[in-house]
Amino acid sequence: DAGVIQSPRHEVTEMGQEVTLRCKPISGHDYLFWYRQTMMRGLELLIYFNNNVPIDDSGMPEDRFSAKMPNASFSTLKIQPSEPRDSAVYFCASSESGGASDTQYFGPGTRLTVL
Amino acid sequence: QQQVKQSPQSLIVQKGGISIINCAYENTAFDYFPWYQQFPGKGPALLIAIRPDVSEKKEGRFTISFNKSAKQFSLHIMDSQPGDSATYFCAARRNAGNMLTFGGGTRLMVKP
Repeated sequence: DAGVIQSPRHEVTEMGQEVTLRCKPISGHDYLFWYRQTMMRGLELLIYFNNNVPIDDSGMPEDRFSAKMPNASFSTLKIQPSEPRDSAVYFCASSESGGASDTQYFGPGTRLTVL
Repeated sequence: QQQVKQSPQSLIVQKGGISIINCAYENTAFDYFPWYQQFPGKGPALLIAIRPDVSEKKEGRFTISFNKSAKQFSLHIMDSQPGDSATYFCAARRNAGNMLTFGGGTRLMVKP
């Protein structure tokens, strides 16, 4: 299996622009998580989905952030408009409920820089 | 509210030494405690995990010690190697929802 796939790996944009991050979870996994990692705040859960339905979005910083999961193999995290303080590494992770392992598998991350 | 507190923030150990990272939690509803290892430029990866019905779990050079009454757990890395240099995160999960709460991370450096 290719693991969790994220794109792009790096994104540099200017303040005010729209940014879309993409994630393909591991096939068969029914949970998908979006995290943000910064030096100051560490690893924060933004939102997670179960069977394509958002379950908890309490970690989404503000209305500028939105996430969708139109099908079991694709999710997006959108920031509009972007701000310099959104600069961070964004990770997507997936897991399988009811399996022998409770492991969350992380993707390689998208490093976002907002100028 | 930080529900999982991790210490120290950084740790330097000589090759062959023991690395110890500690975590404390508040929510008694947590039922699964994994440790993740993250190398620069990579996503975190599961290292070892424990459930609260056991007090210790060992996998190779890595051991988790768990103290349910104190609501604390720790990672011990025996015979630390330079290749162990990474950031380590403890985490805790409530039974419902598969959601993990992460500690702040510990940056470990093992000197040759």
